[in-house]
Amino acid sequence: GNSVTQMEGPVTLSEEAFLTINCTYTATGYPSLFWYVQYPGEGLQLLLKATKADDKGSNKGFEATYRKETTSFHLEKGSVQVSDSAVYFCALGAARQLTFGSGTQLTVLP
Amino acid sequence: ETGVTQTPRHLVMGMTNKKSLKCEQHLGHNAMYWYKQSAKKPLELMFVYSLEERVENNSVPSRFSPECPNSSHLFLHLHTLQPEDSALYLCASSQEGGYYEQYFGPGTRLTVT
Repeated sequence: GNSVTQMEGPVTLSEEAFLTINCTYTATGYPSLFWYVQYPGEGLQLLLKATKADDKGSNKGFEATYRKETTSFHLEKGSVQVSDSAVYFCALGAARQLTFGSGTQLTVLP
Repeated sequence: ETGVTQTPRHLVMGMTNKKSLKCEQHLGHNAMYWYKQSAKKPLELMFVYSLEERVENNSVPSRFSPECPNSSHLFLHLHTLQPEDSALYLCASSQEGGYYEQYFGPGTRLTVT
């Protein structure tokens, strides 16, 4: 079946540091890939997506590239802010469903 | 209202109570989902409705009963819950035939006492 493996947290960074959260997946066929973000007390928000190999999704300074050869979709941001503190979920879309990773808690300190 | 809304946002209920969670989507989507999010556990898909027909039921106990009267509304009826059912219940919607992206509501924080 489909699965998503996500970097264990928590991750703590200083403001303006570089962020990478690793995500790898297992799937048959050609899934879509997503990053969702969950702020405290809220639901999940779609952060970015990529629907085919070599696509790069980007939003709010975050980027992730769909790498079929390494089955990866790592999330990056060049300079994090305190307001980026949240839980980040990698997800795979196929067969009408999303399969989520376990989430990575990010804390950014001023 | 825009996006996906859920009511109530917080709910405390006893084990013998009956309550319902409501979800409404304003995105014109035709598929809706219920998820359970517990502390320290992955997000669990509970139910999927596509075109108002239930297409997925992931071995959810019968004390949870979903209802989808139309493509914009989704309910989760709760009765005789257990303390371990305390969690954040999230509703989501998507468009069939799209790229599977789902849009989530803010969730209902449920506490069973």
